[in-house]
Amino acid sequence: NAGVTQTPKFRVLKTGQSMTLLCAQDMNHEYMYWYRQDPGMGLRLIHYSVGEGTTAKGEVPDGYNVSRLKKQNFLLGLESAAPSQTSVYFCASVSAVNYEQYFGPGTRLTVT
Amino acid sequence: AQSVTQLGSHVSVSEGALVLLRCNYSSSVPPYLFWYVQYPNQGLQLLLKYTTGATLVKGINGFEAEFKKSETSFHLTKPSAHMSDAAEYFCAVRTIIQGAQKLVFGQGTRLTINP
Repeated sequence: NAGVTQTPKFRVLKTGQSMTLLCAQDMNHEYMYWYRQDPGMGLRLIHYSVGEGTTAKGEVPDGYNVSRLKKQNFLLGLESAAPSQTSVYFCASVSAVNYEQYFGPGTRLTVT
Repeated sequence: AQSVTQLGSHVSVSEGALVLLRCNYSSSVPPYLFWYVQYPNQGLQLLLKYTTGATLVKGINGFEAEFKKSETSFHLTKPSAHMSDAAEYFCAVRTIIQGAQKLVFGQGTRLTINP
């Protein structure tokens, strides 16, 4: 039982490049979330999903897209990276039983 | 809409001293409240939570928090700080928007422990 995993752990992109971050959970959770963490701003919700095949915008969705083709996976895409997207990205899934969010270890992204 | 305010972005205490991290929330419905800890270069780990019932909640690593409805607070305490407690702490409140539950996080408090 690995919980929530994220790949890659680190990535450096040039402005305009694209990439996809993968989040996987093995707890059969319906809800999954993508956050970004920036100094002094806590965690801000980018997009979330309430189940397979569904996604919705969070607090800061611009510049990002997501897909939830399989229940256990939640992908975050950057089509054209910008320096403002330099951040640490966290994925989380939530248990409908105890309402706890389980977080992945994070992906540190730098856009130059 | 629910929101969370953490008072103090940095708190510094001596080893063995009381730890007090402050969190106030606003919520139009009975809140579910959480404290998470983040160690350097790691994800967030749940410390404790309040949903219903007893207002004094005990968590891992000797931490506890008390839900005070009249003060809209959920402060985190630990009687005696240990060097390993140095981390960033986040308070969060659960919100439900259009049937979907989310967590709203405070800005975080970085705890430093002085030897």
